[in-house]
Amino acid sequence: NAGVTQTPKFRILKIGQSMTLQCAQDMNHNYMYWYRQDPGMGLKLIYYSVGAGITDKGEVPNGYNVSRSTTEDFPLRLELAAPSQTSVYFCASSLTATGGHFGDGTRLSIL
Amino acid sequence: DAKTTQPTSMDCAEGRAANLPCNHSTISGNEYVYWYRQIHSQGPQYIIHGLKNNETNEMASLIITEDRKSSTLILPHATLRDTAVYYCIVSEFMDSNYQLIWGAGTKLIIKP
Repeated sequence: NAGVTQTPKFRILKIGQSMTLQCAQDMNHNYMYWYRQDPGMGLKLIYYSVGAGITDKGEVPNGYNVSRSTTEDFPLRLELAAPSQTSVYFCASSLTATGGHFGDGTRLSIL
Repeated sequence: DAKTTQPTSMDCAEGRAANLPCNHSTISGNEYVYWYRQIHSQGPQYIIHGLKNNETNEMASLIITEDRKSSTLILPHATLRDTAVYYCIVSEFMDSNYQLIWGAGTKLIIKP
């Protein structure tokens, strides 16, 4: 049972480039989340989804987009990468509205 | 902003009970208290959660005061592998859903 799988684990982007962070879960969870974590700080919610076809903004959605076409996948897209988006990104899924299983993170640097 | 206040750091001797406090004086009646931990930049790991009753599982115990304004996470026999940042989180109702708003947590160091 893989749980929550995030790819890639590391990535370096140039300012203005775009990329998609992948997240997949195999637990049939309805709820999925994207967080970012800056050094020494707690997690901040970017976007979340309560089920396939439904997404909502979290605390810090600007500069990001998401989609949820299947229960298993919840990709996060950065359209125009900026240095302020340098962070560690965590995807999570849960059976209920809160709590959850987290992936190992994607470490993203924008230079 | 997070609704919780935690000490920045704490030490505990290996084999002793680690008691991590958390203040959440503005918690509302339907909001749960969650505890997660994060070991060296790995993904956070769920520990326990509760509403108003004390809770216990294989990892820890959660003691919530009667007025629900504070709680304590207890690791009964701390080991070196329990060294981590521990987050106390109150679920908050935002945009028709309950969400977890994270603070900076308590860095717990278990010493041999």
